Amino acid sequence: AQTVTQSQPEMSVQEAETVTLSCTYDTSESDYYLFWYKQPPSRQMILVIRQEAYKQQNATENRFSVNFQKAAKSFSLKISDSQLGDAAMYFCAYHGNKLVFGAGTILRVKS
Amino acid sequence: DSGVTQTPKHLITATGQRVTLRCSPRSGDLSVYWYQQSLDQGLQFLIQYYNGEERAKGNILERFSAQQFPDLHSELNLSSLELGDSALYFCASTPGGSWSEQFFGPGTRLTVL
Repeated sequence: AQTVTQSQPEMSVQEAETVTLSCTYDTSESDYYLFWYKQPPSRQMILVIRQEAYKQQNATENRFSVNFQKAAKSFSLKISDSQLGDAAMYFCAYHGNKLVFGAGTILRVKS
Repeated sequence: DSGVTQTPKHLITATGQRVTLRCSPRSGDLSVYWYQQSLDQGLQFLIQYYNGEERAKGNILERFSAQQFPDLHSELNLSSLELGDSALYFCASTPGGSWSEQFFGPGTRLTVL
């Protein structure tokens, strides 16, 4: 069965600094998608970035980038130039034959 | 605004009761997904419908059921409610059956007393 593990329940970062959130997953499938979603205090789920497993190039969206290591089954999210608005719960999600979300990482941004 | 709507926003009910949550997907989206987010269990995938048919099942209890109507809106029915069913229930939609970014609704907060 597919599993997604976010080993950091909580992280803190200083405004304007860089932070990396970890995610590992387990699957025997070769074709799948990986996502990072953000859930701010409003509880709205917002897509941050996605990565297709067949693509070797790491996805990037403005200040957000991923380090996708398919062989290691690792999918970390890097947030550069952190802003107060980045404070939220971040979920890593696997979408293959099944949809599986990690337990989430709370990100706190200090001013 | 994701374009996905959910009603009601809040629901308070008693144990043993039955409730229905409603979701309208984004215009043109054929798939609807239901999730449960409890305080201690993160986000759990419940069920997916695609164009009226059940496509995938996750950790959905037998007391729960869902359907998708011809106009593509979906309803999640929760019966014989227990205290542990208190949670935020999200619906999400995608254009196709899979492999897509999901657009989430604002959620329905269910409190079972």
